[in-house]
Amino acid sequence: EPEVTQTPSHQVTQMGQEVILRCVPISNHLYFYWYRQILGQKVEFLVSFYNNEISEKSEIFDDQFSVERPDGSNFTLKIRSTKLEDSAMYFCASTEAGVVNTGELFFGEGSRLTVL
Amino acid sequence: GIQVEQSPPDLILQEGANSTLRCNFSDSVNNLQWFHQNPWGQLINLFYIPSGTKQNGRLSATTVATERYSLLYISSSQTTDSGVYFCAVVLYFYGNNRLAFGKGNQVVVIP
Repeated sequence: EPEVTQTPSHQVTQMGQEVILRCVPISNHLYFYWYRQILGQKVEFLVSFYNNEISEKSEIFDDQFSVERPDGSNFTLKIRSTKLEDSAMYFCASTEAGVVNTGELFFGEGSRLTVL
Repeated sequence: GIQVEQSPPDLILQEGANSTLRCNFSDSVNNLQWFHQNPWGQLINLFYIPSGTKQNGRLSATTVATERYSLLYISSSQTTDSGVYFCAVVLYFYGNNRLAFGKGNQVVVIP
């Protein structure tokens, strides 16, 4: 069964360092998302991406964050200068084109980011 | 924004017991999903169920969209069912499938 894959599964970084989290969405999906979950809290929407541009972003997604589809398979989330409060589990998700707002989102297993 | 309320927040079950988790939402939705977050933090898709009833093994779910709630049933619970169960919804308007998550039901199944 096709699945969304994320790397790394866990990354530890020093405050102020740049981090790139990678995702490979399901191959025929064209809508991509990043969500974040701070430890013990609920999952929060960060950003959605379609047709090589951001289609929606939350108030959490400030100038420190960026997303990119560098090639035909990867979807990345970059945090330019990490802060302690960026420590969280980051989830990538994708869904089929043409079923926006009615389609099932498929989530990856998450990348745990720890900022020291 | 849409409110997603899950109950009970915490539940302790004896292995073999049955349970029902509830998700109430404040507005019309056209996407509802249930997830299980295991102890390693991974989110596992359980059901995509904007309406109706579905079953998958010992788990089943029912969404009554007109009354704005969904139920997740766990039958004959096992210790591997432990974790947090999340309900997530998308509002019924043209958008980008932005899922709004509830705070989750923390389930502990004891042997």
